Amino acid sequence: DSGVTQTPKHLITATGQRVTLRCSPRSGDLSVYWYQQSLDQGLQFLIQYYNGEERAKGNILERFSAQQFPDLHSELNLSSLELGDSALYFCASSTGQEGNEQFFGPGTRLTVL
Amino acid sequence: GENVEQHPSTLSVQEGDSAVIKCTYSDSASNYFPWYKQELGKGPQLIIDIRSNVGEKKDQRIAVTLNKTAKHFSLHITETQPEDSAVYFCAANTYSSASKIIFGSGTRLSIRP
Repeated sequence: DSGVTQTPKHLITATGQRVTLRCSPRSGDLSVYWYQQSLDQGLQFLIQYYNGEERAKGNILERFSAQQFPDLHSELNLSSLELGDSALYFCASSTGQEGNEQFFGPGTRLTVL
Repeated sequence: GENVEQHPSTLSVQEGDSAVIKCTYSDSASNYFPWYKQELGKGPQLIIDIRSNVGEKKDQRIAVTLNKTAKHFSLHITETQPEDSAVYFCAANTYSSASKIIFGSGTRLSIRP
């Protein structure tokens, strides 16, 4: 158990809908990262927050947004969902802002029908 | 842009034999190289990492080597066991447009009994 929690574990929705994925980092970690993993694909970095502020952006679509709250939990919002958005979404956390020693949560499996 | 290439994509070895996975990176400023193991249905787990001030690091049956000149790093697993079967990802940090971790495409390792 990494100490990173993600909810929900599974999410099934329809095209055009909006969903919110939630992540709680390990106790003491200030950075939260979001990744997308499509079937048989690697890990695509989406975005990083450090202590409430956006710190780095990867290949995140404009339909996706994220935020980190004062209690350091983070939410990833996915809107106008398309079939191709079906994937595993992982959250990771680390103590610093450099991206080192990231600990991953169990993921949220999103299925868009 | 920044890139991490990983080979092979699949690897099958006899139980008890050694397995080697190789990665190359493009950003000469990279100085942190983690390896993650992802078991079926789980999030990636950090198993070992190396920083650029050392050339090799060992942890029981796992070792990682780094050649900064050639921008190569490798994961070595000795005396492989069935529980080593998983997908392994290499990664490297990059400082281009804010520090972040770039992952390789993964290696599916299967241990034959």
